[in-house]
Amino acid sequence: DTAVSQTPKYLVTQMGNDKSIKCEQNLGHDTMYWYKQDSKKFLKIMFSYNNKELIINETVPNRFSPKSPDKAHLNLHINSLELGDSAVYFCASSKAGQPQHFGDGTRLSIL
Amino acid sequence: ILNVEQSPQSLHVQEGDSTNFTCSFPSSNFYALHWYRWETAKSPEALFVMTLNGDEKKKGRISATLNTKEGYSYLYIKGSQPEDSATYLCAFRGDNFNKFYFGSGTKLNVKP
Repeated sequence: DTAVSQTPKYLVTQMGNDKSIKCEQNLGHDTMYWYKQDSKKFLKIMFSYNNKELIINETVPNRFSPKSPDKAHLNLHINSLELGDSAVYFCASSKAGQPQHFGDGTRLSIL
Repeated sequence: ILNVEQSPQSLHVQEGDSTNFTCSFPSSNFYALHWYRWETAKSPEALFVMTLNGDEKKKGRISATLNTKEGYSYLYIKGSQPEDSATYLCAFRGDNFNKFYFGSGTKLNVKP
């Protein structure tokens, strides 16, 4: 029944590992987003896909790679995790011109 | 870098008080402003989508106004209740259709 679901909710891992966060929406939206909530609690856009096509790619390290296998999914893969990657990552989706619906966030902790 | 600023950063009011806070954004290249309500341990939920200068939107005791010429929006809560306690976020959208710039939020705490 959940509109935008992210998995996992918590991710604790070692520096240098590669990990993925998955996001799925069942709202029929054509646009999906990844945000990082930084230490000052700002939500900063990382990527946005519209109909599986990358349309926003902010200045994030190449270690972050989004993948959208279809309109309902947008996954985030992170290579060679660093301490500074520790944050809460939010997935969101929307229809054109409409507000975004957010997932519950994935809290990533790097040891 | 595009700045969206919200003030105050946090606000403590008594139940029954009315309150308001501000979102400031660039006055050029305005497309839309969204307001969200973000409760602790939940995800942000949309309150309003505002697109036209002079827009006023209302949902129950919460209302918002928009001034695109001077680059600000106010959110008002009338007769605050403890369940209004949350962080209120605004998000600015400029020319790029899908790019949103979020403020850092105003954290409201309503004491019973």
